[in-house]
Amino acid sequence: AQSVSQHNHHVILSEAASLELGCNYSYGGTVNLFWYVQYPGQHLQLLLKYFSGDPLVKGIKGFEAEFIKSKFSFNLRKPSVQWSDTAEYFCAPRSYNTDKLIFGTGTRLQVFP
Amino acid sequence: NAGVTQTPKFRVLKTGQSMTLLCAQDMNHEYMYWYRQDPGMGLRLIHYSVGEGTTAKGEVPDGYNVSRLKKQNFLLGLESAAPSQTSVYFCASSYSQGLEAFFGQGTRLTVV
Repeated sequence: AQSVSQHNHHVILSEAASLELGCNYSYGGTVNLFWYVQYPGQHLQLLLKYFSGDPLVKGIKGFEAEFIKSKFSFNLRKPSVQWSDTAEYFCAPRSYNTDKLIFGTGTRLQVFP
Repeated sequence: NAGVTQTPKFRVLKTGQSMTLLCAQDMNHEYMYWYRQDPGMGLRLIHYSVGEGTTAKGEVPDGYNVSRLKKQNFLLGLESAAPSQTSVYFCASSYSQGLEAFFGQGTRLTVV
């Protein structure tokens, strides 16, 4: 069965700290990978995506993610977080083999000034 | 270009009442999804549709029904609301299986 694991449920950081959020999936076949962000009281928005090519992809607001095929992982990183990064982050692999769109349980990030 | 629009944005129901949530998209997307979001549970897929006239069950379909009579609209119905259905409901759409999804603003439903 397809599954998505986000290991960090709640992360608390001070501004300027580095961030890494883990995402592992178990999908067969070709997989496209997405990270979404949900700011407090808002809907989900796309943060970045990976389809093919360079496994290190850059998204909006200084976020990047690295795809490691052998580990079925797509970890999200940011070198220096800001208070405005406080949000919930969701990993979502997508496969052309399934019609469903399943999300990880999300990671709540709190950044303090 | 409105994207994905959900109505209503807020609703309070009494136990046993029924209601329909409407999701409308103007991007000509084939795929549409309904999720519920609860604290600590992430987004759970209720039902989805891969095209006009089709529907399928997701992870937590019990107590909900859906219809996709028109390509642009995906309706989520609660026939007899229960307090356990208190949640924030999100609709999403995408062009195909492998592509990104676009989300509506959400509907906050409280069942008392």
